[in-house]
Amino acid sequence: EIVLTQSPGTLSLSPGERATLSCRASQSVSSSYLAWYQQKPGQAPRLLIYGASSRATGIPDRFSGSGSGTDFTLTISRLEPEDFAVYYCQQYGSSPLYSFGQGTKLEIK
Amino acid sequence: EVQLVESGGGLVQPGGSLRLSCAASGFTFSSYWMSWVRQAPGKGLEWVANIKQDGSEKYYVDSVKGRFTISRDNAKNSLYLQMNSLRAEDTAVYYCARDRYQLLGYYMDVWGKGTTVTVSS
Repeated sequence: EIVLTQSPGTLSLSPGERATLSCRASQSVSSSYLAWYQQKPGQAPRLLIYGASSRATGIPDRFSGSGSGTDFTLTISRLEPEDFAVYYCQQYGSSPLYSFGQGTKLEIK
Repeated sequence: EVQLVESGGGLVQPGGSLRLSCAASGFTFSSYWMSWVRQAPGKGLEWVANIKQDGSEKYYVDSVKGRFTISRDNAKNSLYLQMNSLRAEDTAVYYCARDRYQLLGYYMDVWGKGTTVTVSS
């Protein structure tokens, strides 16, 4: 089973700043199998990034994904007030078929 | 508009059963794998099960194997999750999601708003 570890657990930043969120896998993950989601309180997750670096439909270009192997990064270039939320990375594997990181909470400083 | 709407959640006693439904609209339901994902109160996301377009393949997380059954009715554009022998640790919001398996990625691109299941005496 591949375990995804996200860091930091909580990130406190101000609007306009740059956010860098990390997702580390316990074994190498194909870039095609790595995705990122955003979840706001009381809402369903929303797909942001798939294939490690492709933005989903309608996602602003301030969101970008990168990485390969065991280290992946979600970057938000310039934070907007609506970006403060919890972010999850997800990988597709063998058992379980999908697994998620524990999440990074991005909060307003 | 592409949409998934879950229903069927509620309060059930430990050992009891519940059947969740997910109604799909705005896309060709029969063309997609579909998943259930859950989120315990204050916790992260956990994939539960998924099912192939024609129902011929089904996969489960270990913790629900033998207790939960995923199924679908393509004529009704509906996905189901039959949950038996429920435990307190099954308490969660259950989301229905559309799977995408493409050359560029494997992910879930459409999510419902969720239905809440509470297992308690």
